[in-house]
Amino acid sequence: QSVLTQPPSVSAAPGQKVAISCSGINSNIGNNFVSWYQQFPGTAPKLLIDENNKRPSGIPDRFSVSKSGTSATLAISGLQTGDEADYYCGTWDSDLSAGVFGGGTKLTVL
Amino acid sequence: EEQLVESGGGLFRPGGSLRLSCAASGFTFSRSDMHWVRQATGRGLEWVAGIGTDHDTDYSDSVEGRFTISRENAKNTLFLQMNSLRAGDTATYYCVRSDYFYTMDVWGRGTAVTVS
Repeated sequence: QSVLTQPPSVSAAPGQKVAISCSGINSNIGNNFVSWYQQFPGTAPKLLIDENNKRPSGIPDRFSVSKSGTSATLAISGLQTGDEADYYCGTWDSDLSAGVFGGGTKLTVL
Repeated sequence: EEQLVESGGGLFRPGGSLRLSCAASGFTFSRSDMHWVRQATGRGLEWVAGIGTDHDTDYSDSVEGRFTISRENAKNTLFLQMNSLRAGDTATYYCVRSDYFYTMDVWGRGTAVTVS
């Protein structure tokens, strides 16, 4: 049982837009920065985007994030088959004094 | 290029011990907060432990009292001492750097630990 809640899977057609939600509480999302991570099968996770919509070099601006209260959302527009991956949200929990992640969302581009 | 390279994984017996190492390069290790994150096969990410630049440490409940995170800045190396191993510790262990806001911006390729 992950501290942050994500849908297990989402799917959409190429070219469409999809949103992945991440729900938490005040001690984590509500009062700390949320970041999103992308993981392709058999590879290590990598930082995708942070709460300020700052993306590492090479990540297109089709990826964007938003946050409201204790929930955060990753939006991916202009879906491509190459976006198929697992996506995780993560942050710090001030009460637990621990890093926390969502359970991950598998994106399928139909 | 900022890089983290883990080592020390393998097959270990329940109740046994091991030490993972992580060699950092391409950035100022001594000024970076560091973490270990693990992932069991087919499962999600699980934060294990973190250490700040001041050597303050934090642990997940699942490893508190059994694992110890440490760093040797002179050698740009992060460690994870793992004692009293359990089958549930079986996972790929990633060495990770974070910034001030706990954004985990550099990840190693991971080292696999099997407890059986």
